[in-house]
Parts: sequence; C-alpha cells; structure tokens
Amino acid sequence: DSGVTQTPKHLITATGQRVTLRCSPRSGDLSVYWYQQSLDQGLQFLIQYYNGEERAKGNILERFSAQQFPDLHSELNLSSLELGDSALYFCASSPRTPESSGANVLTFGAGSRLTVL
Amino acid sequence: DAKTTQPPSMDCAEGRAANLPCNHSTISGNEYVYWYRQIHSQGPQYIIHGLKNNETNEMASLIITEDRKSSTLILPHATLRDTAVYYCIAATTSGTYKYIFGTGTRLKVLA
Repeated sequence: DSGVTQTPKHLITATGQRVTLRCSPRSGDLSVYWYQQSLDQGLQFLIQYYNGEERAKGNILERFSAQQFPDLHSELNLSSLELGDSALYFCASSPRTPESSGANVLTFGAGSRLTVL
Repeated sequence: DAKTTQPPSMDCAEGRAANLPCNHSTISGNEYVYWYRQIHSQGPQYIIHGLKNNETNEMASLIITEDRKSSTLILPHATLRDTAVYYCIAATTSGTYKYIFGTGTRLKVLA
C-alpha cells in the first residue's frame, strides 16, 4: 500500500456520460498529480495541484477538469466521454511545495481503470 | 524540464546485472534525474534519483556521467520480478512543475 488511495478501481460507462475519479494523497503530502495512461502508452501528465490551487497543466482536454479540496483529496471529472478516454488514470502525491528545493519524489496510487463502451 | 531518451526495450538474464541507459543531453544544472518503474499496469514505483553524484540504495544504483548528459540505472542482480517498464525523468529541483514521463524502456528478465 503506497498510501495514495484511488477510487474506484474499475469503472465501466457509456459514451457521453460523466464520471468522477477520486484520489486521497499520502498523509502530509500537499501536492497531487494526475496522469492518464492509454493502452500500451506512456504516462501523460494531466494536471497538478498544490494545497487546493492548480499549479501546472499538461495536455488535459477541456472536457476534463479537476480540483483539490480543503482536506487535500482531489477529484478528476471526465465528461462527454468518448471511446478514446478509456485508460488507466493515476494519481500521485508528493510533499513538494512551491517554495521547495531539492528532490521531488512522487508516490503513485494503484490507478482507476476507466472503460468507455 | 529536459527531454530524456531511452531504448524502447532490453532483455537481461536472471541473476545478471541490468544496465538501463538514459540520455538527457539538455539537462540543466538544477534538474535531478529520477528513475521509476511500472510493473504491468500497477502504479509507477520510485526507484532512485540523483543530481551529480552516483547514488545507491537497496533497489539499484544510479551512475551519472560527469557532464550529466546521460545516466545508467543498474539493477545488480535482476530477477523475474524486475520485469517492468523503466522510466527516466529529468525534473527541476525548485518549485512546482509538470514532472513529465517519457516512453521508458521495457525490461524483460529472462529465466
């Protein structure tokens, strides 16, 4: 158990629907990262939050949004789902703060597998 | 963050050392080199990181060239459980940032 909890583990839904993936970071970690991994592809960075604030954005689609709540858990919302959104979605956390210097080690959750039919 | 280049795949005999190379020729002075691995579809697992000096921990050793343009991850005695995709990442030491993974090296350890 890495300490990063992601729910649900598996999710099957239909095209056009909306889903929410949830991530609870490791205790004490203030930064949360979201990644998408399509079949046999690498990890695509989506977005990063620090203490409730968006800090960095990758190639996240406009249909996707995320937020980090005061208790530090984060949610990734995927709407108007398409077949191509089927993927593993990983959340990672780190103790990194905007003022940090030095190494930044990410701890990943086990992922949420989304299947869009 | 610097772009990294890794061979797409490698094989290694069980019990032998696995040496996984990574090129990061555009790395800047404030960027660490990190290695992670992903076994099947599990969440990536941190292995080791370094800035200038060579590093060793219970999982692996990291050798960084003097000019910092490349590095090698060494798994000293590879086992079948080390079969995974290994990612090399170069990322800045300061502030918050994107932390980009490349395509990695698929290591297959052969019995």
